[in-house]
Amino acid sequence: NAGVTQTPKFQVLKTGQSMTLQCAQDMNHEYMSWYRQDPGMGLRLIHYSVGAGITDQGEVPNGYNVSRSTTEDFPLRLLSAAPSQTSVYFCASRGENSGKRAFFGQGTRLTVV
Amino acid sequence: AQSVTQPDIHITVSEGASLELRCNYSYGATPYLFWYVQSPGQGLQLLLKYFSGDTLVQGIKGFEAEFKRSQSSFNLRKPSVHWSDAAEYFCAVGAINNNDMRFGAGTRLTVKP
Repeated sequence: NAGVTQTPKFQVLKTGQSMTLQCAQDMNHEYMSWYRQDPGMGLRLIHYSVGAGITDQGEVPNGYNVSRSTTEDFPLRLLSAAPSQTSVYFCASRGENSGKRAFFGQGTRLTVV
Repeated sequence: AQSVTQPDIHITVSEGASLELRCNYSYGATPYLFWYVQSPGQGLQLLLKYFSGDTLVQGIKGFEAEFKRSQSSFNLRKPSVHWSDAAEYFCAVGAINNNDMRFGAGTRLTVKP
């Protein structure tokens, strides 16, 4: 029962570096999403996908790219990291077989210096 | 798009006391409503959800929530709080006609011995 797996758990980047946060789920969920969590802001939706090959923007998409080549994987790419992207990132998945309940990964704590 | 307000940033209650966490949502139609709990350094765990039917829903760990359409509210309650309930609680709203899920800013619960 792996659920939603995010890697890495922690990451420090220098300003301008790029990196990819990985997210994988083994529940055959159609819908996957990325959130960032900042103090006093709750979780804000960055990008989401309703199925393989389909992605769309959420509330705060700037500076991030996503792709969904398979049902299982939904990586989040930071193109040129900025200190404002210091945050905790959560990947979530849900599907018709989960009654729209979202399952969350354990989070990635990213610091951009 | 839908939105959620959690008016209380931080609440402190004594162990054994009752608890009510407030959540107000904005959405033009019947929403899907959720309460999640996040322990320090962890992902989010679903406490309960409301889709339709009985407006009082029971969740895990002795929590319940009541959907009040007239007040656009979905407050979370527990009759007797345990020290292990100390965590951050997030209310979330999903919509029938889109795949978005919006979260409130969260309420941090401290439990005094």
